[in-house]
Amino acid sequence: GNSVTQMEGPVTLSEEAFLTINCTYTATGYPSLFWYVQYPGEGLQLLLKATKADDKGSNKGFEATYRKETTSFHLEKGSVQVSDSAVYFCALSGAAGNKLTFGGGTRVLVKP
Amino acid sequence: GAGVSQTPSNKVTEKGKYVELRCDPISGHTALYWYRQSLGQGPEFLIYFQGTGAADDSGLPNDRFFAVRPEGSVSTLKIQRTERGDSAVYLCASRGRSSEQYFGPGTRLTVT
Repeated sequence: GNSVTQMEGPVTLSEEAFLTINCTYTATGYPSLFWYVQYPGEGLQLLLKATKADDKGSNKGFEATYRKETTSFHLEKGSVQVSDSAVYFCALSGAAGNKLTFGGGTRVLVKP
Repeated sequence: GAGVSQTPSNKVTEKGKYVELRCDPISGHTALYWYRQSLGQGPEFLIYFQGTGAADDSGLPNDRFFAVRPEGSVSTLKIQRTERGDSAVYLCASRGRSSEQYFGPGTRLTVT
């Protein structure tokens, strides 16, 4: 079946540092890939998505590229802010609109 | 507009009791999903409705769990004979025409 593996946290970094969160997946066919974010005390929000190979999703300074050859969808941000402190989840959908399979989440803490 | 709402936000119940968790999706969204998130883990899929019918219930852990969506809008997740292992945050999401699922704030269920 489908599965998502992402790096364990917590990841602690200073403001303006570069952030990378690794995510790899196992799936049949051509899944859609997502990054969701959960800020403290809030619900899950979609951060970005990519629906086919080589697509790059981007939002709020975050980027991730769908790499089919390495089955990866790593999340990056060039300069983090304290407000980026949250838990980040990588997820896939095996077909458009179908159920999401999530990774275990990575907690990111950005210190001033 | 209004997002996905879930009630109650918190529910504490005794082992062996019956509970109902409610989800109000975004108006007009035909697809509705239930997920369960245990502490420190990513959400796990439970069941997916398209309209009134359950299109995929493969994630329900056992026959103590049941969900309905009788009019294609509000959904209720029902858990019979609750066990301590059922303690988790239960998330509901809805989807319109796009592939994006919009999540509610969740119901935190604690079984004592």
